[in-house]
Amino acid sequence: AAGVIQSPRHLIKEKRETATLKCYPIPRHDTVYWYQQGPGQDPQFLISFYEKMQSDKGSIPDRFSAQQFSDYHSELNMSSLELGDSALYFCASSFANYGYTFGSGTRLTVV
Amino acid sequence: GESVGLHLPTLSVQEGDNSIINCAYSNSASDYFIWYKQESGKGPQFIIDIRSNMDKRQGQRVTVLLNKTVKHLSLQIAATQPGDSAVYFCAAKGGGSQGNLIFGKGTKLSVKP
Repeated sequence: AAGVIQSPRHLIKEKRETATLKCYPIPRHDTVYWYQQGPGQDPQFLISFYEKMQSDKGSIPDRFSAQQFSDYHSELNMSSLELGDSALYFCASSFANYGYTFGSGTRLTVV
Repeated sequence: GESVGLHLPTLSVQEGDNSIINCAYSNSASDYFIWYKQESGKGPQFIIDIRSNMDKRQGQRVTVLLNKTVKHLSLQIAATQPGDSAVYFCAAKGGGSQGNLIFGKGTKLSVKP
């Protein structure tokens, strides 16, 4: 069965650089979620999209933005990166608010 | 504010024993709950879920119990195996149209051979 695909798996950026993370949800899932997980922490909700429209917003910094495209893939754009942005970034998708499935994540390291 | 939390940060069990991981949630409107297993460097892996109109659900070697009165749920793993060693998270979905999951603090399960 198709899963949630995230790319890249690993990313190393310098402070003040920009990063773009991509997420390809499970086909026919209508909602995409982005989560940030710091070392030893639980995943923190950042933002979600339902049918390509932003549906909910969590603790997403103003330096971050996201969007969902016509093919339902989503991108998380992160600018002016800080050391504290180093974390695992997960994307999840669901259909009708059920069946949440997570991707394998992107490990971002800011140096 | 809304929160989901676990009672114990670590749990060590002997191989073959049963494991019980507990979780408390604060939003009485939460209507859907999921247990995830996360291995180091990997994404959360779905274990089992339960809707608020149920109080028990069983899977293969796992059982989730939901007590809405005290806003508590637990994950029971039967005959725990070394491959069960991981961090376990509970997550709760807000009620109604609110779709995002709120995660609790993970419990690290270590299985001793």
